[in-house]
Amino acid sequence: EVQLLESGGDLVQPGGSLRLSCAASGFTFSSYAMSWVRQAPGEGLEWVSSITGSATSTYYADSVKGRFTISRDNSKNTLYLQMNSLRAEDTALYYCAKVRYAGSLGMDVWGQGTTVTVSS
Amino acid sequence: DVVMTQTPLSLSVTPGQPATISCKSSQSLLQSDGKTYLFWYLQKPGQPPQLLIYEVSNRFSGVPDRFSGSGSGTDFTLKVSRVEAEDVGVYYCMQSIRLPITFGQGTRLEIK
Repeated sequence: EVQLLESGGDLVQPGGSLRLSCAASGFTFSSYAMSWVRQAPGEGLEWVSSITGSATSTYYADSVKGRFTISRDNSKNTLYLQMNSLRAEDTALYYCAKVRYAGSLGMDVWGQGTTVTVSS
Repeated sequence: DVVMTQTPLSLSVTPGQPATISCKSSQSLLQSDGKTYLFWYLQKPGQPPQLLIYEVSNRFSGVPDRFSGSGSGTDFTLKVSRVEAEDVGVYYCMQSIRLPITFGQGTRLEIK
C-alpha cells in the first residue's frame, strides 16, 4: 500500500524558514515524480512544486519560485520542501503527492498533510 | 495559466439520485501524445484529496463504478450515477498538461 507521511509543519514568523519532509513507502520511490500541493484555510487546492524521479528536473509555481526548493533523497525514500522567506500567504496545509506516471504530473496518492502557519 | 472553471459550485442531491459537475478549461488539454490530462478528485471532510478519475475517463483503483468521467478538448463532466452519503465533499478538476498545474474552484456536494 502506498503511504505518504508529511512532517515539519510549524508556526514560523514572517521571513523565517522551514523544511517539510514526506516519507514514502509502498512503491519504488525513485521511479516516480512527486509534488507538493497546498491548501490555505477554507480555500481550494494550489499546486506548489514538482520534481522528477531522478531529481533532474524541478518545477515551481510563480508564487514560490526563488523562495522554495524541492528536493528528494531516493536512498531515504523522502521528499523535501525547503521554504525560505515565508509570508503570511504561505499559511496552509501542505500535502505531498505521488505523480501517477512520468508522462504527466497528475497526482494519484496524497498524504494527510502538514500545517504551516506564518504569523508574528 | 490554464484556468479551470467548475459549475455548479455547490449542489444538494437526494441519495440515489444522479449528480453532474462540469469543468471547462481555458485551453485544450489534449496532449501531442493523444492523452488528455484532466483529473477529478474528491476531498471528503477532514481528509486529503483522493483521485477519482484520471485522463478524463479512467477510474482510479478502488473507485466505485457509479463515478464516470467524460469530455474532450476543453469541456469535461463528472457524473455520479446514484449519490450515496459517503460521496459528500468537495470535487475538484485539475489539469496537468501545462505548468502551472491548476485546479478548478471546487464543487461542494451535500446530501439532502
